[in-house]
Amino acid sequence: GAVVSQHPSRVICKSGTSVKIECRSLDFQATTMFWYRQFPKQSLMLMATSNEGSKATYEQGVEKDKFLINHASLTLSTLTVTSAHPEDSSFYICSAGIYRDLGGYTFGSGTRLTVV
Amino acid sequence: AQSVTQLGSHVSVSEGALVLLRCNYSSSVPPYLFWYVQYPNQGLQLLLKYTTGATLVKGINGFEAEFKKSETSFHLTKPSAHMSDAAEYFCAVSDSSNTGKLIFGQGTTLQVKP
Repeated sequence: GAVVSQHPSRVICKSGTSVKIECRSLDFQATTMFWYRQFPKQSLMLMATSNEGSKATYEQGVEKDKFLINHASLTLSTLTVTSAHPEDSSFYICSAGIYRDLGGYTFGSGTRLTVV
Repeated sequence: AQSVTQLGSHVSVSEGALVLLRCNYSSSVPPYLFWYVQYPNQGLQLLLKYTTGATLVKGINGFEAEFKKSETSFHLTKPSAHMSDAAEYFCAVSDSSNTGKLIFGQGTTLQVKP
């Protein structure tokens, strides 16, 4: 089956620094990747949609200059948290699939970001 | 607008007992519905999904769910709980844009007592 790898699984960074999270589709080409954020004991909230070769589409309230998304190839999307602050600490999860294949998206294993 | 409501943020059952996790949805278009399981500090694993066709959907690990349009429900069941079923469960509905976005419920923590 489809496999999505997310790296790193856990990262601790200092306040003010930037962190990059990678989401890779290992055995298929993903035209679309979604980035979600999950606070402790809460549900997943969609942050942005990443389509290969085009600019990401951000959900209302998500700062695009803070959460930079790049989807330069059909197998890789990256989320960069710029100038991270403690309130950015969260669990970030990506999902990857083919555009409009509603039942076919696969989730990555998530990245636990802690900003100190 | 699409939305999902999971009734009961915490469900506790005894090992061997029936598991019932409730999910109601609101959708402006024919919905695609999903159940995911999440173990601590891990991503989401798909249990089952309803797209079209048969309304009783069987998934992995003995779980199944029934799509009831008249009740706008998609409850998850398992006849006999195992200790390994203890986890967080999320119900989700596809966004009306039909691009693959998912709208998630708040989640239900399933506790299984020995």
